[in-house]
Amino acid sequence: ETGVTQSPTHLIKTRGQQVTLRCSSQSGHNTVSWYQQALGQGPQFIFQYYREEENGRGNFPPRFSGLQFPNYSSELNVNALELDDSALYLCASSFKGNYGYTFGSGTRLTVV
Amino acid sequence: DQQVKQNSPSLSVQEGRISILNCDYTNSMFDYFLWYKKYPAEGPTFLISISSIKDKNEDGRFTVFLNKSAKHLSLHIVPSQPGDSAVYFCAASAPRGGSEKLVFGKGTKLTVNP
Repeated sequence: ETGVTQSPTHLIKTRGQQVTLRCSSQSGHNTVSWYQQALGQGPQFIFQYYREEENGRGNFPPRFSGLQFPNYSSELNVNALELDDSALYLCASSFKGNYGYTFGSGTRLTVV
Repeated sequence: DQQVKQNSPSLSVQEGRISILNCDYTNSMFDYFLWYKKYPAEGPTFLISISSIKDKNEDGRFTVFLNKSAKHLSLHIVPSQPGDSAVYFCAASAPRGGSEKLVFGKGTKLTVNP
């Protein structure tokens, strides 16, 4: 049974650029969620995808968008990067209706 | 507006003693609570959960207590081991019907000294 894998592990981008982060869900899981963890904070819910559609969104602007693919892998896209977007981005997969997420190790994004 | 609060940023205990991590919440609609453990450079790992219909759940050395009237939960680790040293996050969820969104606290860094 594979876990959740995220790529890349670290990334440096310039303000105003766009970024795509990738996630492969744990085998058998059908839901993927993305969280942002700023330094010294707990993870904050960005959105969740189920059956390739957004299934809930947190308090994040539209420049944060995502995709879920038929194989349950997922992407998080962020446009017009701002300095405050610097954070650890965590992907988590689960079965629909189950809160026992399996988290990946995250992508550390630095915006300069 | 922080709906889940972990007021102790850090906690240090001796090996073999009890570790008690606390969490308070403000949203009375929360009905399911979880604890996650996070080591550096790793993602959070699910530890234990409790439904609002219970006041205690136990799994080995880990026990979670829920006091709904006080909107308070705690995680007890007995006996504490050096490998338990990590950041512990309390998380809560509202009733289902939508996404399985979790609201996390800021975490408590536990250090267990040999």
